[in-house]
Amino acid sequence: QLQLQESGPGLVKPSETLSLTCTVSGGSISSSSYYWGWIRQPPGKGLEWIGTIYYSGSTYYNPSLKSRVTISVDTSKNQFSLKLSSVTAADTAVYYCARVRGVYGPDDYWGQGTLVTVSS
Amino acid sequence: DIQMTQSPSTLSASVGDRVTITCRASQSISSWLAWYQQKPGKAPKLLIYKASSLESGVPSRFSGSGSGTEFTLTISSLQPDDFATYYCQQYNSYSPRTFGPGTKVEIK
Repeated sequence: QLQLQESGPGLVKPSETLSLTCTVSGGSISSSSYYWGWIRQPPGKGLEWIGTIYYSGSTYYNPSLKSRVTISVDTSKNQFSLKLSSVTAADTAVYYCARVRGVYGPDDYWGQGTLVTVSS
Repeated sequence: DIQMTQSPSTLSASVGDRVTITCRASQSISSWLAWYQQKPGKAPKLLIYKASSLESGVPSRFSGSGSGTEFTLTISSLQPDDFATYYCQQYNSYSPRTFGPGTKVEIK
């Protein structure tokens, strides 16, 4: 059974960089059939797509966040990571990692999510 | 960007009711639409993909229809486990992938 698990600091100071890792188990991140993505959800609000990566390293980013986002992949560890720079309180959210079914496909497996709070 | 809207934003219904949620896209997305169910404190769960394909393991009381710019999610007979928030998502393009604002299904 595929499982995704987010990890990283739950508290980040304003202007600093948020860093999260998603560890994939029960399947290979190097599968040619899937992409891997990050989605976030501010408390009490809706879902926002952050970006998507293929095991080869090719990426797609939300234009609204593109200048601050970097998504990378480590196939040796079966992990992919998110970095969001210059964070503000508006970046406080539950961050989810997910598997994407194909280059244009739904997010079919999700991690449980991790709350990241931006506060001094 | 492709904007997604959903109606209603909140829906009050009883167990056994037939429930329909509408999702509209600001431009044609063919059938590249998914529906998700989210319960408080949990990750979204994929219910429907490609507008009308039922995800494996999802009860058959859930169904999706539509193409182009207008889509519906129908729950044929609402069950206690179905009280949740439902989101549509377009994945027609990466500029960017967008979700609707959600529809909360509440107990009447």
